[in-house]
Amino acid sequence: KAGVTQTPRYLIKTRGQQVTLSCSPISGHRSVSWYQQTPGQGLQFLFEYFSETQRNKGNFPGRFSGRQFSNSRSEMNVSTLELGDSALYLCASMTFAGSNTGELFFGEGSRLTVL
Amino acid sequence: GNSVTQMEGPVTLSEEAFLTINCTYTATGYPSLFWYVQYPGEGLQLLLKATKADDKGSNKGFEATYRKETTSFHLEKGSVQVSDSAVYFCALTHRNAGNMLTFGGGTRLMVKP
Repeated sequence: KAGVTQTPRYLIKTRGQQVTLSCSPISGHRSVSWYQQTPGQGLQFLFEYFSETQRNKGNFPGRFSGRQFSNSRSEMNVSTLELGDSALYLCASMTFAGSNTGELFFGEGSRLTVL
Repeated sequence: GNSVTQMEGPVTLSEEAFLTINCTYTATGYPSLFWYVQYPGEGLQLLLKATKADDKGSNKGFEATYRKETTSFHLEKGSVQVSDSAVYFCALTHRNAGNMLTFGGGTRLMVKP
């Protein structure tokens, strides 16, 4: 069974640009969450999608957005990039939000460097 | 709000030593508690969980007990191996918060042969 796949794995952008990251969850998983990992702030929750609807959103500015498609694949977008957006962006999936809440399967992440 | 505090690393141990990584939390009600592990170059993997007070989660020789009275969820292993070298994250969530996990800062474990 394939795991959570994130693309691209590495990318370099400059300040002011925008970026789109993609996540393909494990087959059959309908819930997708995104996290930002940085050395200074650690792991921080960005947002969660279930059946194409955003269920929860973390404390990030509106420059961070996401969406989920009918096949459960998800994308997140960061506009007007800032140096502080340099981070590892992790996607996680699970079957559905229910009794297994919090039991996430993580991808290897997309490492974004903003110059 | 919710918060999770872990002991800072790195923790360096010799093979077969006893491991304890401390984790305490601040949260309302009765959150579910988790330990995740991140091996070099990989994404996080769920190691174990506990969903109510006095529950003990265990996996791969690791265990942690949900202590409501001390708001703690310390990770222990009786005999570590070199392959256990990784970063360990303590986390919590509430049922009504979906998969919005609050993570601790992570503790790097290095096990020497």
